[in-house]
Amino acid sequence: AQSVAQPEDQVNVAEGNPLTVKCTYSVSGNPYLFWYVQYPNRGLQFLLKYITGDNLVKGSYGFEAEFNKSQTSFHLKKPSALVSDSALYFCAVRGSFGNNRLAFGKGNQVVVIP
Amino acid sequence: NAGVTQTPKFQVLKTGQSMTLQCAQDMNHEYMSWYRQDPGMGLRLIHYSVGAGITDQGEVPNGYNVSRSTTEDFPLRLLSAAPSQTSVYFCASSSGQGLGAEAFFGQGTRLTVV
Repeated sequence: AQSVAQPEDQVNVAEGNPLTVKCTYSVSGNPYLFWYVQYPNRGLQFLLKYITGDNLVKGSYGFEAEFNKSQTSFHLKKPSALVSDSALYFCAVRGSFGNNRLAFGKGNQVVVIP
Repeated sequence: NAGVTQTPKFQVLKTGQSMTLQCAQDMNHEYMSWYRQDPGMGLRLIHYSVGAGITDQGEVPNGYNVSRSTTEDFPLRLLSAAPSQTSVYFCASSSGQGLGAEAFFGQGTRLTVV
């Protein structure tokens, strides 16, 4: 079965500094990887995904993520964090073998300090 | 576009009561699913459907029923509410375009069972 680990509960970063949110995964077959963001009292919004091709994927709001097959990681990055980036971030994965369920990590709270 | 619509947004139930959480999507998506979100546990899959007339269990199905009579609607029924079902519930849909299709989420239903 597929699974996702997001090792940090909370990530604190000063406004203007680089932001990184870590994600590692486990799947059978090829991974299909996603990042979502959740603002307070809202549903999850899609940020970006990796299916195949370039390991660096660019998404919404200036976010990008780097796929690393050997380390089974898909870390989310933003070069310069904004206060408005403060939110809960979820990594998710599907595998090409087995069921096609989308498995989510537990989420990381990002706090951008002005 | 409405996207994925969930009703109600908030609900308080007494232990033993039953209710139905509604979910509708207007994107003609084949795949629909229900998740519950609990602090520190991320999103856990309750039930899902790959098309009208087809449903299957996720990782935490006990105490919940679903049906999928139309492509648009995927209601979640709580048979006899328990305090352990206090949670935020999200409905999601995605197209049948393969494992790389991103999910679209509703705004959520915050359920409290007393």
